[in-house]
Amino acid sequence: ETGVTQTPRHLVMGMTNKKSLKCEQHLGHNAMYWYKQSAKKPLELMFVYNFKEQTENNSVPSRFSPECPNSSHLFLHLHTLQPEDSALYLCASSQDGNTIYFGEGSWLTVV
Amino acid sequence: RKEVEQDPGPFNVPEGATVAFNCTYSNSASQSFFWYRQDCRKEPKLLMSVYSSGNEDGRFTAQLNRASQYISLLIRDSKLSDSATYLCAVNSGSSNTGKLIFGQGTTLQVKP
Repeated sequence: ETGVTQTPRHLVMGMTNKKSLKCEQHLGHNAMYWYKQSAKKPLELMFVYNFKEQTENNSVPSRFSPECPNSSHLFLHLHTLQPEDSALYLCASSQDGNTIYFGEGSWLTVV
Repeated sequence: RKEVEQDPGPFNVPEGATVAFNCTYSNSASQSFFWYRQDCRKEPKLLMSVYSSGNEDGRFTAQLNRASQYISLLIRDSKLSDSATYLCAVNSGSSNTGKLIFGQGTTLQVKP
């Protein structure tokens, strides 16, 4: 059983849709992250939350809106995305910024 | 210059071979270093942390060279199951902020 679970695992959405990705960590960690992995590109850090407070927004477009209601849950709200936003979105958690553990990811396709 | 650079490969090696990957980083203040393994269409999984004194876990050895700003991963006696992409990750600041910057990965293919 993975300590970080993400849903949905696969999502296809139109450019005018609004959808959300959900992440839950069962490791008791105090930091959570969203990373994006596009084909042939390195993992890109999007957002960092420490104790449910956002501490990093890596110049992410406003069409991606994160929400962290508590230290165990993290959402990524998506609206008016572009086809180039199609990627694997990975949630991760850590304790005090140490080793990061990833969820299985959500494969997003924007059509 | 990219913050973290890796040779994308692929490295094609026979079973039983020894293979080494390097990863260079640009931020001299970085304190934490890691190797992750990523299988096709799966999430990255931590392989090992890299300590200043170097560390070994079975067939895997990781080294840190601060002077030249690179980390290395050595795999001995390669197995078919070692075929994967190996990502190096470097903490982007001088403290454990959890802001890991990843290289693009090095692909290893171990052939029978």
